[in-house]
Amino acid sequence: DTEVTQTPKHLVMGMTNKKSLKCEQHMGHRAMYWYKQKAKKPPELMFVYSYEKLSINESVPSRFSPECPNSSLLNLHLHALQPEDSALYLCASSPYGQGTEAFFGQGTRLTVV
Amino acid sequence: AQSVSQHNHHVILSEAASLELGCNYSYGGTVNLFWYVQYPGQHLQLLLKYFSGDPLVKGIKGFEAEFIKSKFSFNLRKPSVQWSDTAEYFCAAFTGGGNKLTFGTGTQLKVEL
Repeated sequence: DTEVTQTPKHLVMGMTNKKSLKCEQHMGHRAMYWYKQKAKKPPELMFVYSYEKLSINESVPSRFSPECPNSSLLNLHLHALQPEDSALYLCASSPYGQGTEAFFGQGTRLTVV
Repeated sequence: AQSVSQHNHHVILSEAASLELGCNYSYGGTVNLFWYVQYPGQHLQLLLKYFSGDPLVKGIKGFEAEFIKSKFSFNLRKPSVQWSDTAEYFCAAFTGGGNKLTFGTGTQLKVEL
């Protein structure tokens, strides 16, 4: 199984809502990532978890709150988002260390209204 | 800081033309290099990867890339493009120390019949 599964595929939320994005992998990877991708732009790294600990936070606003409850799951909790946060949110995973590659999920298309 | 640059932002080719997309990275240590493709409305797919060894790597769909360490480059090539190659192409570099995968700005390729 070389899949990274993200749910939901599409999400529309209001600016006062609280929602969560979920990501799951069963490849035994110990590094997991959240990326944000705007239309016609490259993915921008938001967070990296290594061995279930947050190792990189790319100065992401606190309205985005990541969580890694175990080695297979990664969540992104959303609260009080702005319309400019509308984007494709990608989850990825990789084995930890050099000589590795990242596997990407299909993403969650988020629209903030 | 690690960075990846792609100089061709938009490329238009006729079918059967040859393709070369430039990618340069700035990092003095060991890097893992990748080319990803994103077809319209779809998720990122890995085209090919370089970790070590033979600097000429072959990927899926007839793509290949050459790692030239002295030029910090990892250019993507295809001898004869097809209409179905129309997509966005991203070069990416992965440094194992921080598990940080950084993307270039992307190249939008349009292949005309």
